[in-house]
Parts: sequence; C-alpha cells; structure tokens
Amino acid sequence: EDKVVQSPLSLVVHEGDTVTLNCSYEVTNFRSLLWYKQEKKAPTFLFMLTSSGIEKKSGRLSSILDKKELFSILNITATQTGDSAVYLCAGDNQGGKLIFGQGTELSVKP
Amino acid sequence: DVKVTQSSRYLVKRTGEKVFLECVQDMDHENMFWYRQDPGLGLRLIYFSYDVKMKEKGDIPEGYSVSREKKERFSLILESASTNQTSMYLCASSPADGQGSNEQFFGPGTRLTVL
Repeated sequence: EDKVVQSPLSLVVHEGDTVTLNCSYEVTNFRSLLWYKQEKKAPTFLFMLTSSGIEKKSGRLSSILDKKELFSILNITATQTGDSAVYLCAGDNQGGKLIFGQGTELSVKP
Repeated sequence: DVKVTQSSRYLVKRTGEKVFLECVQDMDHENMFWYRQDPGLGLRLIYFSYDVKMKEKGDIPEGYSVSREKKERFSLILESASTNQTSMYLCASSPADGQGSNEQFFGPGTRLTVL
C-alpha cells in the first residue's frame, strides 16, 4: 500500500530560525513529489520534484528529493510569522491520485 | 487563475440529515477529488472522478456518495450524516493524467459540523 509519512507532526520555532521538514514515501510507480502550504484555507502549491538531487528554490523555501532513499525535505530559512501553516507533502503514483502525508504544523513565534 | 469553489465555508447539520457539498472548477479539468481532513490524519481521499458520470472509491468511501453530471461540478453526498463525519472537506481538481503535472488545485474547504 502506498504511504507518505511526514515528520515532525508539529514544530514551534522563533522568527529567524531555520527549519527542516521531512517527508518519506513508499509509492509504487512513483513519478513526483509535491509540497503544499495550507494556512486557514485551501492548500497552495509550493514545489513539484521529479529528479533526485536537484534543489527547487523559491525565496526562503527550498526542497530536494532523494529517490534512492525515498525522501524529500523542505527547508525554510529566516522563518517569519507568515510561514506558520500546515505543510503537506504528497506522492504521485501516476494513477491520477496523490497520496498525502499527515502534514507538519509549523508555528513561528515572534 | 485556476478556481475551485465550494458551496459553503461552514455548515452545521443534525444527525440523520442528508447533506450535499458542491464543488465547481473553471479550468476544464478532467479529474476531481473529495478529501476530508482531520487533525493528525492529513488528507484522506473519499471519492474521485476522472470523467463525467464516472466515480471511483478512495480510501474512506463509507457513508458517502458522489455525483458528477457535468465536467465542472462534483458533488459529495452524506446520505445520513453522523457525528463522526464532522470534519473539514476539501475538493480538488487536476488535468487528466499524462498532461504533465499532476498538481491538484484545491477549493477553500467546507467545515462541516454534525450535531
């Protein structure tokens, strides 16, 4: 059965800290891994990763995929209170569906 | 911009009531999905649809049904609401598989409370 596991489930940091969110996956016919950010509304797309070792970057956020060890990390540097959200990762098994992890709830304190 | 809209942001119903949650997307996407989201459990797939009049069970279909009469609209139906169906319900859509990205676009969610 396909599975995506995120850690930690929750995290509290202070502004300016750097955080690393983890996502491990067991997904048959794996094609890509997606990261979403969810504030008090709809999840919004952050990154899609298909190849190992190639870092995707958007401002203070970056992500990388390791297809040999079956995991991805999402890094956020110089965190701000606006980064507080639930971060979701999902594996694409080429079946039209995404398999979501439980999410990591990040809280950034001023 | 892709837009996925859901009929209600908040809904309160009584046990045993029939509940309809509506979802509409404006990007001509073939695929549509219904999830429920509960603390610590992430997004769990209830039903999905790859085409009009087509539906497939997800991981937790019990107690739910769906309807897709038009490409842009996907409805989730709770035939007889129960308190354990209190949750946040998220609708999503995506292009047909094979058209590149499998990114799903989400609606704002409906927070359903069943009393």
